[in-house]
Amino acid sequence: EVQLVESGGGLVQPGGSLRLSCTASGFTFSNFWMSWVRQAPGKGLEWVANIKQDGSDKYYVDSVKGRFTISRDNAKNSLYLQMDSLRVEDTAVYNCASGGASFGNWGQGTLVTVSS
Amino acid sequence: DIQMTQSPSSLSASVGDRVTITCRASQSISSHLNWYQQKPGKAPKFLIYAASSLQSGVPSRFSGSGSGTDFTLTITSLQPEDFAAYYCQQSYSPPYTFGQGTKLEIK
Repeated sequence: EVQLVESGGGLVQPGGSLRLSCTASGFTFSNFWMSWVRQAPGKGLEWVANIKQDGSDKYYVDSVKGRFTISRDNAKNSLYLQMDSLRVEDTAVYNCASGGASFGNWGQGTLVTVSS
Repeated sequence: DIQMTQSPSSLSASVGDRVTITCRASQSISSHLNWYQQKPGKAPKFLIYAASSLQSGVPSRFSGSGSGTDFTLTITSLQPEDFAAYYCQQSYSPPYTFGQGTKLEIK
């Protein structure tokens, strides 16, 4: 069974940083592009970033470019999202998902709240 | 960026009904269109890819169609477990944008 489990969310002040993690199991993690997708409270879905199997290619939505960094460790079956210079509008549930452009499996998400 | 527009934003229907949700892209995306179902408090579930291909395990009452800019998701014979939010998403080019969602409610 495919499982994706996110962690690292929490309450942070504007301008602060957080590092999200996603641990994968039940599939060959190193064979898949991976993505982060977020959902602000009561709002729709927004793709945030993706990363190629070997980490050599990464793409970001414009609103997070220069602030967020996606990375992965295939030896640990883990995906990461380093979030710096956080803004109130970054408040959302952050889900990791398998796939780079189509998202086949999703984790339950971790809530990031940016507030003073 | 490619804008995805869904209609309606909400829809009331009864068990056994047939419903159709429409998704329009701001430019041609060929058949690079996916559909997801999301229930309250849960992660989205991948339903349909490449506009019309059913993900494994998805009931056959779900179907998708369209190409270019106009797409539809049809659910025949609604079941109680189908009442949820539905999102279209283009996988043609980054940023991979979603529609705003359609909330399907029980009448």
